[in-house]
Amino acid sequence: NAGVMQNPRHLVRRRGQEARLRCSPMKGHSHVYWYRQLPEEGLKFMVYLQKENIIDESGMPKERFSAEFPKEGPSILRIQQVVRGDSAAYFCASSPDQIAYEQYFGPGTRLTVT
Amino acid sequence: KQEVTQIPAALSVPEGENLVLNCSFTDSAIYNLQWFRQDPGKGLTSLLLIQSSQREQTSGRLNASLDKSSGRSTLYIAASQPGDSATYLCAVKGAGNNRKLIWGLGTSLAVNP
Repeated sequence: NAGVMQNPRHLVRRRGQEARLRCSPMKGHSHVYWYRQLPEEGLKFMVYLQKENIIDESGMPKERFSAEFPKEGPSILRIQQVVRGDSAAYFCASSPDQIAYEQYFGPGTRLTVT
Repeated sequence: KQEVTQIPAALSVPEGENLVLNCSFTDSAIYNLQWFRQDPGKGLTSLLLIQSSQREQTSGRLNASLDKSSGRSTLYIAASQPGDSATYLCAVKGAGNNRKLIWGLGTSLAVNP
């Protein structure tokens, strides 16, 4: 059973470009979470999704950021018009339906905005 | 609002020492608590998961305890090795339907040969 997959592992974007980060959850997992780790800061929750639904987006910046988890295919975290402050490691996690189960993390995508 | 604090922020010990990392949280209504390891520039490795009904979990040289009523967890590492050098992160999942993890800032551990 493959783990949580994220791609790309490293992404370089110029200011103003768009960044698309992909997350494929573990097989059988229907819950996806995105977290961001800014340099020298802790991990912060961004958004929690189930298939075709955003459950909690309380951690998402109000502008430029969006997330989706379609019926088919990976979850996508999209950042429009990136700025230098978006440079961070973005981690995706997935879990099965039962709330007691732990979240399994992917290797992360390191975004660098130049 | 749940807040998670980890003490100390950094720790440097000689190889072979037993050590304790601390994690505290402000809201005792948690579902579970998880300890992770993160190597520089790398991803997250889950070490131990403690459900709210449990008092401790053990894996090899690692032992994690949970005192929910006082809002504290400790990670005990026995006979530390240089390979244990990493940042150790504590994360709590709140009770209820909100499944997000709230994270501490971590303890940066250096084990010197």
